[in-house]
Amino acid sequence: SQTIHQWPATLVQPVGSPLSLECTVEGTSNPNLYWYRQAAGRGLQLLFYSVGIGQISSEVPQNLSASRPQDRQFILSSKKLLLSDSGFYLCAWSRGQPGNQPQHFGDGTRLSIL
Amino acid sequence: AQKITQTQPGMFVQEKEAVTLDCTYDTSDQSYGLFWYKQPSSGEMIFLIYQGSYDEQNATEGRYSLNFQKARKSANLVISASQLGDSAMYFCAMREGGSNYKLTFGKGTLLTVNP
Repeated sequence: SQTIHQWPATLVQPVGSPLSLECTVEGTSNPNLYWYRQAAGRGLQLLFYSVGIGQISSEVPQNLSASRPQDRQFILSSKKLLLSDSGFYLCAWSRGQPGNQPQHFGDGTRLSIL
Repeated sequence: AQKITQTQPGMFVQEKEAVTLDCTYDTSDQSYGLFWYKQPSSGEMIFLIYQGSYDEQNATEGRYSLNFQKARKSANLVISASQLGDSAMYFCAMREGGSNYKLTFGKGTLLTVNP
């Protein structure tokens, strides 16, 4: 069976510090990978998705970047965090085809910027 | 205009009763998919049920069913025999025909099941 791991679970960072959140998937190959952000009490906003190694699409211009150095590894980064980067970050994976495949989510990272 | 609208910020239901969570969507695509997710207070997103735009029958998964009314562009989630563990946020999401990747989420409905 497939599993998705996301870490850390919680993170407190000062403004201006760098960020690296990691997500890995096990039990499948060539998954689609996604990073979402959820503001308090709101729905999910897609930040980045990837359909293959080195292929990253950005949905929202912002202070963050994503990378996919390996097939089942997806990393969310920032060089300098802003207060507005606080939120709940979720990584997800899905099979590429067909389109009825659901996205499966990790447990999320609660990021607080001080 | 919002693509996914969930008009109920919060809902209450008695244990063992059924509850309907509303979702309306807006798309001009003929091919699309609708998903429901559950998010407990711990934060993880749990996939519940899927309905494709060409599916003729309403989707069902255990106690979950989807009341799909295509002409009204609604995809309401029905939970039968509510349990205390059903208390959570519920999100409706849509994948439009032009993208196999992007899900657009509604703002969610907070369901509270009372004993």
